[in-house]
Amino acid sequence: NAGVTQTPKFRILKIGQSMTLQCAQDMNHNYMYWYRQDPGMGLKLIYYSVGAGITDKGEVPNGYNVSRSTTEDFPLRLELAAPSQTSVYFCASRYSRTSYEQYFGPGTRLTVT
Amino acid sequence: ELKVEQNPLFLSMQEGKNYTIYCNYSTTSDRLYWYRQDPGKSLESLFVLLSNGAVKQEGRLMASLDTKARLSTLHITAAVHDLSATYFCAVDMLGKTDKLIFGTGTRLQVFP
Repeated sequence: NAGVTQTPKFRILKIGQSMTLQCAQDMNHNYMYWYRQDPGMGLKLIYYSVGAGITDKGEVPNGYNVSRSTTEDFPLRLELAAPSQTSVYFCASRYSRTSYEQYFGPGTRLTVT
Repeated sequence: ELKVEQNPLFLSMQEGKNYTIYCNYSTTSDRLYWYRQDPGKSLESLFVLLSNGAVKQEGRLMASLDTKARLSTLHITAAVHDLSATYFCAVDMLGKTDKLIFGTGTRLQVFP
């Protein structure tokens, strides 16, 4: 198992550009999450999904979009990037609501200038 | 709204000393998690605490949970430099939410 994978690892965007952060898991997990972590801060939930075709907003969804067409993939789309979106983005997954373990990907470090 | 607070936010301690990190949460929770994050790295799961009075230990780290006080502690015994990292607690409300709510993190620095 590769676990939770994220691409790219690093990216620099110009203000107003768009991009998609990729997240995939090969553990057949139903629940997937996107978090952002600003420097020196904790994790804030952006969006999450409880299964293919089902997504919901977290604490800080503005400026982002998600889709979940398959169990394996949960891409995060940034439209019209802004400096405030400079952060490290983590994807995570777990099998179900009752699962104890939530697995995190390695993160994507995004800088918007 | 569920809130999770940790203190201290930053802890600088000498090797060999003991200290405790506190995690308070605002509403009833079913499970509490502790994670470790090294600089520039992802989060690593340390402990999952499932019930009142639960205690788990791994090496120099011991975590406990008091659900009545809505408090979890992470105790560090005889700190060593390798424990330098940021520690996060997170709370999960089984059956009420599908997501973990994370605390602010405690950055631990152990010096000789």
